[in-house]
Amino acid sequence: QVQLVESGGGVVQPGESLRLSCAASTFTFSDYGMHWVRQAPGKGLEWVAFIRYDGSDKQYVASVKGRFTISRDNSKNTLDLQMNSLRVEDTAVYFCAAGFSSSLDYWGPGTLVTVSS
Amino acid sequence: DIQMTQSPSSVSASVGDTITITCRASQGVGNWLAWYQQKPGKAPKILIYEAASLHSGVSSRFRGSGSGTYFTLTITSLQPEDFASYYCQQTNSFPFTFGGGTKVEIK
Repeated sequence: QVQLVESGGGVVQPGESLRLSCAASTFTFSDYGMHWVRQAPGKGLEWVAFIRYDGSDKQYVASVKGRFTISRDNSKNTLDLQMNSLRVEDTAVYFCAAGFSSSLDYWGPGTLVTVSS
Repeated sequence: DIQMTQSPSSVSASVGDTITITCRASQGVGNWLAWYQQKPGKAPKILIYEAASLHSGVSSRFRGSGSGTYFTLTITSLQPEDFASYYCQQTNSFPFTFGGGTKVEIK
């Protein structure tokens, strides 16, 4: 059973930073591309970022480019999302997800990030 | 960016019904289209990948079709556990955009 567990969510003020982590287990983490997807309260899904299985390619949605950084450590089976200059509109549940090819096959339960003054 | 438009945004149906959800892309995405199911407070689950391929362990009551800019998800013989929200997502080009979602409710 593939397991992904996010951590690091919390309440921060606008302009502050937060680092999310995703711990992977029971699958070959280094074979999978990894994604972050978020969902604002009561809203739909928004894809946020991707990192290739070997870390050689990273992609972001325009609204977070320059503020968020995705990274991974294949030796520790972990995925991170460094979020800087947070805005109120970044408030959401953040999911990490693993995709071997053309879809996001496995998802963690999510961690809530609240940006509020 | 590729825009994904789902319709309807919500549908009321009864157990045993068959429903169809559509997803249109603002430009062609080949067959790089996935469908997900999400229940309240839970993470999404993959149902269909590459437009028509059923993910392992997913009921055959779920059927995906389409290519290019027009896609459908059909759920036959609706079961109580199927009442949830459904999202399409294109994985043809970054950013991997989602449709706005379709909530399937019990009539």
